[in-house]
Amino acid sequence: DAKTTQPPSMDCAEGRAANLPCNHSTISGNEYVYWYRQIHSQGPQYIIHGLKNNETNEMASLIITEDRKSSTLILPHATLRDTAVYYCIVTSGAGSYQLTFGKGTKLSVIP
Amino acid sequence: NAGVTQTPKFRVLKTGQSMTLLCAQDMNHEYMYWYRQDPGMGLRLIHYSVGEGTTAKGEVPDGYNVSRLKKQNFLLGLESAAPSQTSVYFCASSDAGLGGETQYFGPGTRLLVL
Repeated sequence: DAKTTQPPSMDCAEGRAANLPCNHSTISGNEYVYWYRQIHSQGPQYIIHGLKNNETNEMASLIITEDRKSSTLILPHATLRDTAVYYCIVTSGAGSYQLTFGKGTKLSVIP
Repeated sequence: NAGVTQTPKFRVLKTGQSMTLLCAQDMNHEYMYWYRQDPGMGLRLIHYSVGEGTTAKGEVPDGYNVSRLKKQNFLLGLESAAPSQTSVYFCASSDAGLGGETQYFGPGTRLLVL
């Protein structure tokens, strides 16, 4: 699976959009981009995933560049409950079985 | 639906003792996983199962054994606990096939080995 690079930490004002970047320059054509988050002391929570197209669900939006070498997770209106570590993971899809969690980005939402 | 549950939530062991961590899921998922998370680090896969009666090794399997006798349960065993196994253990489950990486995690078991 391709390696990902994320900033170690970011701040965001409450109510504003949080944009979390992820670089995955070695991603191959059949690899997906997944985002998870882990709120302090809890189990990781799935947020969203995508292959080529941008995706949106009730939690967030995922923007993938045309060359697929980077992506951005967008939380449209960050709340204090969004304070967490966010993990960007690249995986080859069915059969890979393993999610490789790096150190992620610690997002702090500030009142 | 309870989702993924883990028992116990917290445990203290002495070196050399044994214990079993229980994971249960009520989503009828085929795949189940055990991860460990050490301070300041991401999760690492210990063992996983792609169906009832099957298990396989992950990234850090040494010192652990697993069993999947029922589809809804995945047990993680420590036969002789060591201080290096002090960690937080997370269980997860997912559907088979495409999208298997959409995993649902339990709340974790905190294990301290003295």
